Amino acid sequence: NAGVTQTPKFQVLKTGQSMTLQCAQDMNHEYMSWYRQDPGMGLRLIHYSVGAGITDQGEVPNGYNVSRSTTEDFPLRLLSAAPSQTSVYFCASSYWGTDEAFFGQGTRLTVV
Amino acid sequence: AQTVTQSQPEMSVQEAETVTLSCTYDTSESNYYLFWYKQPPSRQMILVIRQEAYKQQNATENRFSVNFQKAAKSFSLKISDSQLGDTAMYFCAFEIKAAGNKLTFGGGTRVLVKP
Repeated sequence: NAGVTQTPKFQVLKTGQSMTLQCAQDMNHEYMSWYRQDPGMGLRLIHYSVGAGITDQGEVPNGYNVSRSTTEDFPLRLLSAAPSQTSVYFCASSYWGTDEAFFGQGTRLTVV
Repeated sequence: AQTVTQSQPEMSVQEAETVTLSCTYDTSESNYYLFWYKQPPSRQMILVIRQEAYKQQNATENRFSVNFQKAAKSFSLKISDSQLGDTAMYFCAFEIKAAGNKLTFGGGTRVLVKP
C-alpha cells in the first residue's frame, strides 16, 4: 500500500517557468489538500478538494492551480514560477468524516 | 479564521527526561480536532496524537500525552522518557470537524534530545 505519493521529490525551476507537482493516493480518500512549508513556519493550506470535480482555495492560493478529475490524483500547477514560491510542498489525503490526514513525503522546490 | 500559536521556537531535553510543548489556539468553533505532528529530518509528517474537542479526557499515546484546556484554548504536549529519536520539529494543528483536510498549523517547536 503506497499511501500518498508525491513526485518529484526535488525540483529547481527558473523564474517564469511552469510545472506540475504530482500527488496520487491509493486509499480511496475523498479529501485531498496541498500545503506549503516555508523555513521556520508551519504548513499553510494552498488548495483543497472534497471529491472529484470539486476544488476550493485555501489560505495561500495565488500563483497555483489545481484540478481533481479522479479520486486518486490531485496535481498542483505553478503557472509562472516566482522565487517566492521556493518552498517544500506537501500533499495530504483523508477519509470523509475522519480526522487523520496522511501526508506525502514532500517536494522541495527551488525557484531561481 | 483560526489561528494556532506555538510560543517556544526551540527546546532541549536530556534523554529519559520529560519535556512539555505549549500550544494555544483561537477559534469560534465548538466542534473541532487538535493534533500534534512530528517532523523529523526526513521531513515526513507523522501524527503523534489527536484530541477531539468534545472529549473531556486528555489523549495519551504511549509516552506522549496532552493537556487539553478547552476554556483556555490551550493544548500542550508532554513527551515522557525522551528518546534520541524524538528529536524533530513538532507542530500543533487545528481542524474543524468534517471540514475536510483543512488543517491550520502553528509555527513549530524544534525539540533536541541530548544523550
